[in-house]
Amino acid sequence: DADVTQTPRNRITKTGKRIMLECSQTKGHDRMYWYRQDPGLGLRLIYYSFDVKDINKGEISDGYSVSRQAQAKFSLSLESAIPNQTALYFCATSDRGEDYGYTFGSGTRLTVV
Amino acid sequence: GNSVTQMEGPVTLSEEAFLTINCTYTATGYPSLFWYVQYPGEGLQLLLKATKADDKGSNKGFEATYRKETTSFHLEKGSVQVSDSAVYFCALRRFGNEKLTFGTGTRLTIIP
Repeated sequence: DADVTQTPRNRITKTGKRIMLECSQTKGHDRMYWYRQDPGLGLRLIYYSFDVKDINKGEISDGYSVSRQAQAKFSLSLESAIPNQTALYFCATSDRGEDYGYTFGSGTRLTVV
Repeated sequence: GNSVTQMEGPVTLSEEAFLTINCTYTATGYPSLFWYVQYPGEGLQLLLKATKADDKGSNKGFEATYRKETTSFHLEKGSVQVSDSAVYFCALRRFGNEKLTFGTGTRLTIIP
């Protein structure tokens, strides 16, 4: 099994619908992150969580919300999807400390029509 | 604030050519530096890292040296293969700020 699992892998939804992307990890890491990838823009941080009771906004949190249900689970919601939220979404985890890199999931490709 | 500037792509090379992808950074203090690779249809994978000045990270024939004096962490490989075709991201993680800051990525295509 993958260390970081994202579901669904692909999703097409309509404008105005609520959608949830899920992420679970078996790394035992405290830190979890949601990123969005757009062509030419690299990865941009949406939300991050350092433990179950600690949720923080990233650089592009508007239109998104998150829930850290357990140490291993971190979900991202789009309350009312809009077309410019069409993107590739990645969940990642990390250990504490700046020497450690992140472990990424395989991504969710979301299309809002 | 922290930032990472990468060489713009796309980069196309012939098999067995020498590869350099430039990366420079701006950060206070002494960040840890990373290269990630994203193969088509997959998530990002850590390729190599360096955590202090003059450290050299290496993996799968790729190397990068942490140059504090030029704030650079250029990725190099002596002889690329078709299987190296991917998008490469440079990133930093600063002490006391555990979020990764990414560059915009460089798409590399190797032709036989």
